[in-house]
Amino acid sequence: GNSVTQMEGPVTLSEEAFLTINCTYTATGYPSLFWYVQYPGEGLQLLLKATKADDKGSNKGFEATYRKETTSFHLEKGSVQVSDSAVYFCAGGGIKAAGNKLTFGGGTRVLVKP
Amino acid sequence: GAGVSQSPSNKVTEKGKDVELRCDPISGHTALYWYRQSLGQGLEFLIYFQGNSAPDKSGLPSDRFSAERTGGSVSTLTIQRTQQEDSAVYLCASSLAGSSTDTQYFGPGTRLTVL
Repeated sequence: GNSVTQMEGPVTLSEEAFLTINCTYTATGYPSLFWYVQYPGEGLQLLLKATKADDKGSNKGFEATYRKETTSFHLEKGSVQVSDSAVYFCAGGGIKAAGNKLTFGGGTRVLVKP
Repeated sequence: GAGVSQSPSNKVTEKGKDVELRCDPISGHTALYWYRQSLGQGLEFLIYFQGNSAPDKSGLPSDRFSAERTGGSVSTLTIQRTQQEDSAVYLCASSLAGSSTDTQYFGPGTRLTVL
């Protein structure tokens, strides 16, 4: 079936460190890919997305590039802040066999210490 | 404008009781989704409504779960004869047209606790 796999957390790092969260997907075809973020006490919100191969999504200093050859959509940020502490979810949408529903990875908790 | 709203924000119920969870999508959004977020299962799709089409119920875990969407807007998720394993946060999302590239906007969720 269709699936999204992301690295398990928690990830703990210091302010201004480089952050990478790996995400890979398995699907029939090439789905749109999303990163959602859930800040403490808040709901899920879209961080960035890419709808086709080689697209790069970016927002708030985060970037992710849709790599068809490795079926990956890794999230990166060059210099994290304490306010980036949250749970990050990779998701695939529009996977043909799954309709338009999102398939989520397990989430990665990130804790940034001052 | 207003985002997706859900009510109640918290619901505690006894095993065997029925519960109803409500979702108000963003005005003008034709697609509406229900997901469940639980510790053991992560984020799971439950059901999807798109316009007047028949809903995609493929994610509903049992026949105790049902949902309806009235007038193409508000949706209600009903869980009958609740079990402890139903305890989770139930999330509603809506998107403009249900396209595979559309962003889904999520509500704050309803935390359900079954005692």
